[in-house]
Amino acid sequence: ETGVTQSPTHLIKTRGQQVTLRCSSQSGHNTVSWYQQALGQGPQFIFQYYREEENGRGNFPPRFSGLQFPNYSSELNVNALELDDSALYLCASSLVAGWDQETQYFGPGTRLLVL
Amino acid sequence: QKEVEQNSGPLSVPEGAIASLNCTYSDRGSQSFFWYRQYSGKSPELIMFIYSNGDKEDGRFTAQLNKASQYVSLLIRDSQPSDSATYLCAAFMDTGRRALTFGSGTRLQVQP
Repeated sequence: ETGVTQSPTHLIKTRGQQVTLRCSSQSGHNTVSWYQQALGQGPQFIFQYYREEENGRGNFPPRFSGLQFPNYSSELNVNALELDDSALYLCASSLVAGWDQETQYFGPGTRLLVL
Repeated sequence: QKEVEQNSGPLSVPEGAIASLNCTYSDRGSQSFFWYRQYSGKSPELIMFIYSNGDKEDGRFTAQLNKASQYVSLLIRDSQPSDSATYLCAAFMDTGRRALTFGSGTRLQVQP
């Protein structure tokens, strides 16, 4: 167990709806990264939060947004859901000190199905 | 586009054999490399990381890095059926090292 938790574990939404996924980072970690993993593919980077600010973003549209809270937990919000948003959403926790990045540890994921 | 490439497999080996998983990467500036194991329906679990050229051993696992050839590998000795999973190779691929770039994974099947 990594100590990274995510909720909910599973979610079913319909096209056009909005969803919020939550992540609690491992104790002592200050950075949360979000990834989307489609079936049969490797995880794709969505964005990263460090000290409550976005610290890098992948090739995802603005309808994917996020937050990080003072306790380093994080939310991923997706608006106007599309069928292709159906995937496993992974949160990864790490400790960033200075310019170096440390290893990222993944939570159990949230499986989202958009109908 | 900066990429990490893996053979999707499946790679099938008999129990007790050595499994060799390979990965190449496109960005010569990449510094840090990671191997994750992912069981079906589960999230990726870190196995090893490697930063320097050469070999790094941890129990039955050995990671190998060759930066000149832009090649990373993972050897699993004495393979067990419980090692059957998808193995993901990942790297930090820019100077900011903000995001992991993953390969699509190699599915390993260890036959009893």
